[in-house]
Amino acid sequence: GESVGLHLPTLSVQEGDNSIINCAYSNSASDYFIWYKQESGKGPQFIIDIRSNMDKRQGQRVTVLLNKTVKHLSLQIAATQPGDSAVYFCAENIAGNTGKLIFGQGTTLQVKP
Amino acid sequence: DGGITQSPKYLFRKEGQNVTLSCEQNLNHDAMYWYRQDPGQGLRLIYYSQIVNDFQKGDIAEGYSVSREKKESFPLTVTSAQKNPTAFYLCASSSQGSGYTFGSGTRLTVV
Repeated sequence: GESVGLHLPTLSVQEGDNSIINCAYSNSASDYFIWYKQESGKGPQFIIDIRSNMDKRQGQRVTVLLNKTVKHLSLQIAATQPGDSAVYFCAENIAGNTGKLIFGQGTTLQVKP
Repeated sequence: DGGITQSPKYLFRKEGQNVTLSCEQNLNHDAMYWYRQDPGQGLRLIYYSQIVNDFQKGDIAEGYSVSREKKESFPLTVTSAQKNPTAFYLCASSSQGSGYTFGSGTRLTVV
């Protein structure tokens, strides 16, 4: 079946460096993508989203890039801080799929002081 | 403030016992979802409901039951048929064309 997958299960970065978390998706009919952050013992929180008619969207210290040609989504975090340590999930909405999201397996981001 | 509330935060179940996890939202969202999360793993869909009085099975519905009698509420019952219920349970809600808002989760442990 269709799935959203992540290239790396764990990413370790130095505090202050930029982080890039990747996500591959396989359904060309996906029209909306979201990144969530989940801290230990808590529910996922919305970080940033992007619709398929865009290829880049920026938030505060975060940027999402969408490459529809290769079906690739990435989350860039600038000047990574210890508070960014968490699991990051990408999710996709397939157009016409009644709003039910498909989640990737998640990438653990570890920030070293 | 609008949000989605799960209770209790921690729940302990004895062998052979049914337990019910609560999920309430005041976001006026039509759709609600239940996910299970095991340590170091992703989210697996148990049940979802897109409208009151209607719900569908997700990928791992066996051993679970739900009801959707009110728009605001989507309780999940973990029955004795669920042989490995220890996990972190997450409830979410959404409106059409938007992402999910998640609750803070319930950690269920079998004792």
